[in-house]
Amino acid sequence: DAMVIQNPRYQVTQFGKPVTLSCSQTLNHNVMYWYQQKSSQAPKLLFHYYDKDFNNEADTPDNFQSRRPNTSFCFLDIRSPGLGDAAMYLCATSRDRGGAYEQYFGPGTRLTVT
Amino acid sequence: GQNIDQPTEMTATEGAIVQINCTYQTSGFNGLFWYQQHAGEAPTFLSYNVLDGLEEKGRFSSFLSRSKGYSYLLLKELQMKDSASYLCAAMDSNYQLIWGAGTKLIIKP
Repeated sequence: DAMVIQNPRYQVTQFGKPVTLSCSQTLNHNVMYWYQQKSSQAPKLLFHYYDKDFNNEADTPDNFQSRRPNTSFCFLDIRSPGLGDAAMYLCATSRDRGGAYEQYFGPGTRLTVT
Repeated sequence: GQNIDQPTEMTATEGAIVQINCTYQTSGFNGLFWYQQHAGEAPTFLSYNVLDGLEEKGRFSSFLSRSKGYSYLLLKELQMKDSASYLCAAMDSNYQLIWGAGTKLIIKP
């Protein structure tokens, strides 16, 4: 089945220790998104790629970086995680930008910072 | 500014009907999405409306009024598995989704 895969599902890191979350997709979609979601809150868009074009949200902290080496893979790097970065990180894809294209989400990576 | 308003929590009885409302304000508008999110899981797509009116899909229906900036999700014949959060998201003129915080729906037997 075509899908969006995230690894790991659960990640524990120490305060200040860099961590990388990964996402892959078999849908061959052009657009990939990274969201941060905290309990009972709306998903917060961090970045998105439209093909190779990187789009950073204005309020995404510099501590967060992303890479998309090819169509299938996308990575989220948190350079120095703080306690406030503990959250669920969701990767999503869509075939294209535009209203008719729904986003398909991976299962998420729950990040704990100790 | 851009924002989405939806109730924080609703309770309904198994077998009944429930309507979850959403109002939105966006810079431009390219459609309204509803997603379902079970606790600890990722959102899954339910519906998309860009024209005024009601879209029916099985037990779930979604309505849009563009002039009022209003949508609702209607769930019929509620089942226990429908207990989840329901997220409303409006797409702005830059094709960005503006998300609501979700409505937690609790189904009681």
